[in-house]
Amino acid sequence: GAVVSQHPSRVICKSGTSVKIECRSLDFQATTMFWYRQFPKKSLMLMATSNEGSKATYEQGVEKDKFLINHASLTLSTLTVTSAHPEDSSFYICSASHGGFLRSNQPQHFGDGTRLSIL
Amino acid sequence: AQSVTQLDSHVSVSEGTPVLLRCNYSSSYSPSLFWYVQHPNKGLQLLLKYTSAATLVKGINGFEAEFKKSETSFHLTKPSAHMSDAAEYFCVVSDQRGYNKLIFGAGTRLAVHP
Repeated sequence: GAVVSQHPSRVICKSGTSVKIECRSLDFQATTMFWYRQFPKKSLMLMATSNEGSKATYEQGVEKDKFLINHASLTLSTLTVTSAHPEDSSFYICSASHGGFLRSNQPQHFGDGTRLSIL
Repeated sequence: AQSVTQLDSHVSVSEGTPVLLRCNYSSSYSPSLFWYVQHPNKGLQLLLKYTSAATLVKGINGFEAEFKKSETSFHLTKPSAHMSDAAEYFCVVSDQRGYNKLIFGAGTRLAVHP
């Protein structure tokens, strides 16, 4: 099956630092990648949709300058949390899809998530 | 607008007994529906998907779900629960108007007791 690798699995860092999280599709070309945030015992909240070679589309309320997304190739997307603060601590999950526009029947394949803790 | 309602936040069953996780959806379009499972501190794994083909969908690990348009439901079932089934389950509908944006239900935590 389709495999998505997310790295690192856990990050602990000081307030004010920037953290980069990588999401790779290992055995397929991911036209579209998604970044989610999940609070404890809560559902997933979509942060942004990333299409290869174009700017990410952010959901309402998500700060573009805070959460920088790059999707430079069909197998790699990165999320950078800039100047991270304790309130940014969360579980971040990426997913990748074969599908492009209007291909909603293509399932998303999820990475194992990154636990980000800001001290 | 599309939405998903998972009717139970927690379900507890004994090992070997049937599992029923309930999901209702709302959609202006013919929906694509999914069930995902999440184990602690892990990403999500696709259990099964419905995409307007057969209304009874079989997934992995013995799970299946039935799409009922008249009831706007997509309940997840399994005949016999296993300890390893304990996890969080999400019912998800796809926004067909764009780039496959997923809309998640609030989740149902399944506990399986010996």
